[in-house]
Amino acid sequence: DAEITQSPRHKITETGRQVTLACHQTWNHNNMFWYRQDLGHGLRLIHYSYGVHDTNKGEVSDGYSVSRSNTEDLPLTLESAASSQTSVYFCASSGGQGITEAFFGQGTRLTVV
Amino acid sequence: QQQVKQSPQSLIVQKGGISIINCAYENTAFDYFPWYQQFPGKGPALLIAIRPDVSEKKEGRFTISFNKSAKQFSLHIMDSQPGDSATYFCAVGGSNYKLTFGKGTLLTVNP
Repeated sequence: DAEITQSPRHKITETGRQVTLACHQTWNHNNMFWYRQDLGHGLRLIHYSYGVHDTNKGEVSDGYSVSRSNTEDLPLTLESAASSQTSVYFCASSGGQGITEAFFGQGTRLTVV
Repeated sequence: QQQVKQSPQSLIVQKGGISIINCAYENTAFDYFPWYQQFPGKGPALLIAIRPDVSEKKEGRFTISFNKSAKQFSLHIMDSQPGDSATYFCAVGGSNYKLTFGKGTLLTVNP
């Protein structure tokens, strides 16, 4: 079955370190998204991609970057982790004609100490 | 500017009761209105979605009511069950494939 997987599921890192969260999907979807989930804020879009070599900023992109070298993967990098980036991060993908269902991964809980 | 306003933040319902969650949006260009369900420790999963050419969509105990002129849509859960206890998110989407989510509603169904 097709799926979308994130790794690691949990991570603790120190302030100032570079951190990369992985996202891999086997749906062969063109569209991939990174969201962060915080209490009281719901899901907020960080970055997204419509295909290989395409990346776009979302509403909360400062301090984050992504790259898309193939269809399956969209890693999210925190350039210099800050305590404000402690959150649960979700990757999602969608495809097909027009806007359709987005499939979410299980999430990565990141703690910056 | 908040593009999607969801209410209430939390909701407690007795088993067998009706749960109602509301969302309002600003941009009339949106043409996809899904509801996502999220259990603790899991990613959100699509529950039901509607497009603006219909005013209501029903799937089992779950119904979306859509009011295009008022720019509002709501989720109704009939005969609510303890297993429905979760966080529910409304979202809006359009031609750019992005989904913008509401802040979520924590539903608790008491047995």
